[in-house]
Amino acid sequence: EVQLVESGGGLVQPGGSLRLSCADSFSGNFMNWVRQAPGKGLEWVGRIKNKANNYITEYAASVEGRFTISRDESKKSLFLQMNALKTEDTAVYYCARDFYYRLDYWGQGALVTVSS
Amino acid sequence: IVLTQSPGTLSLSPGERATLSCRASQSVSSTYFAWYQQKPGQPPRLLIYDASTRATGIPDRFSGSGSGTDFTLTISRLEPEDFAVYYCQLFGSSLPLYTFGQGTKLEIK
Repeated sequence: EVQLVESGGGLVQPGGSLRLSCADSFSGNFMNWVRQAPGKGLEWVGRIKNKANNYITEYAASVEGRFTISRDESKKSLFLQMNALKTEDTAVYYCARDFYYRLDYWGQGALVTVSS
Repeated sequence: IVLTQSPGTLSLSPGERATLSCRASQSVSSTYFAWYQQKPGQPPRLLIYDASTRATGIPDRFSGSGSGTDFTLTISRLEPEDFAVYYCQLFGSSLPLYTFGQGTKLEIK
């Protein structure tokens, strides 16, 4: 059964760091992180390709240089390392499978709250 | 490329037909266009991809159409479980890879 399960969300102060994990049953697929601020729409955060594509990562301009996506396919896990967090990074973060220009499977999401 | 959805909110009754629109700021390939449904407290669910192909398990009352800059999601006969927020999505060849519209809230009248 397909499953994506995020973990690691929580409350962090501005300027702090947090690492999200996604238990990823899709080893071998490109994977994305998408976020949704409270009461707002969807915002793409970044993507990591698979081993065959050298795990190349791409990021939205709003997080470039602060967020890092990585994966450990042996552990079927996807990660989002978030540094220098800002209050505007407060959101539910979803991991989602990338499949031919669409996101066909999504996790349930992890809430990240950046507040002092 | 900016995606603009209309209307922002659509108030209809069960059994009625819903027509949701998404306009791209420039012409795009239908291959890169999709629709999602999101209910409160849940992740988005893929409904339509390639602008008009239903995803696995999606009822045939949902249909997508359009090309170029104008795309439409139609729900032929609304069921109670269809009341939700709908997002259109475009995959881009440059960053950001995925762009979403601002959403249309479909509410019960």
